[in-house]
Amino acid sequence: GESVGLHLPTLSVQEGDNSIINCAYSNSASDYFIWYKQESGKGPQFIIDIRSNMDKRQGQRVTVLLNKTVKHLSLQIAATQPGDSAVYFCAENNRGATNKLIFGTGTLLAVQP
Amino acid sequence: NAGVTQTPKFRILKIGQSMTLQCTQDMNHNYMYWYRQDPGMGLKLIYYSVGAGITDKGEVPNGYNVSRSTTEDFPLRLELAAPSQTSVYFCASSGTESSPLHFGNGTRLTVT
Repeated sequence: GESVGLHLPTLSVQEGDNSIINCAYSNSASDYFIWYKQESGKGPQFIIDIRSNMDKRQGQRVTVLLNKTVKHLSLQIAATQPGDSAVYFCAENNRGATNKLIFGTGTLLAVQP
Repeated sequence: NAGVTQTPKFRILKIGQSMTLQCTQDMNHNYMYWYRQDPGMGLKLIYYSVGAGITDKGEVPNGYNVSRSTTEDFPLRLELAAPSQTSVYFCASSGTESSPLHFGNGTRLTVT
C-alpha cells in the first residue's frame, strides 16, 4: 500500500553542523511533498514544501531535495541550532486526493551544544 | 489571528464515556481535518471537511463522528470511548486542497 517512511528515526548533530533528514515514499502518484517540524507539546508546523515538477527548493536555512527516480525526499538544515531540536515529519499527497496527506513516522533531531 | 484552536488540552475518559473535541479556526479556511497521533507514529487522518455542511471519512474514521455547521468550527465526537482511542488528536485547516495545513496544538486523550 501507500507509505512514507524515514531512514533514520533519531539524528544527533552538533550545533552549527548541517543536518540531513531523509524520507522514502512509495506512491509514484504523489505530486506534493511537505516537511513539518513538531516541537514537544505542539502541533506540526509547516517548514517547506515541494511539488513533483521540481527537484530542489530552498527556504531560510532549509533545502528540500526530491529524487523521483528513487522516490526519496530529504530536508537539509544549515547551521543547525538548538531551536531546531524537534521531530521532523515528511508527508506526501496526491493532488487528486483532497490534501489527504500521508505522514511518515518522524525523525527526532537532537542538537548537541 | 489565533490560527487553529483546540480544546480541551487534556482529557481522561472512562471506557464507554463520550466527549466532543472542539476545534475552531479564524483564517476563513474551507478545508479542515482531524488527525490522531499515536506514540512514535505519524499522523493518521480521521475525518476531513471541504466546507461547511460537507464531511468525509479519512483513513481511520471508526469510532468517531464529525459535523461542520460553520466554516470556523469542526468538532470531533467520540460516542463510546475505547482504550484504543487513547492518542493525541490534532485539528488542522487549509485554505485550499493543496496548500499547507495549519495545525492546532492538540488534545491529549486518555481512555482508561
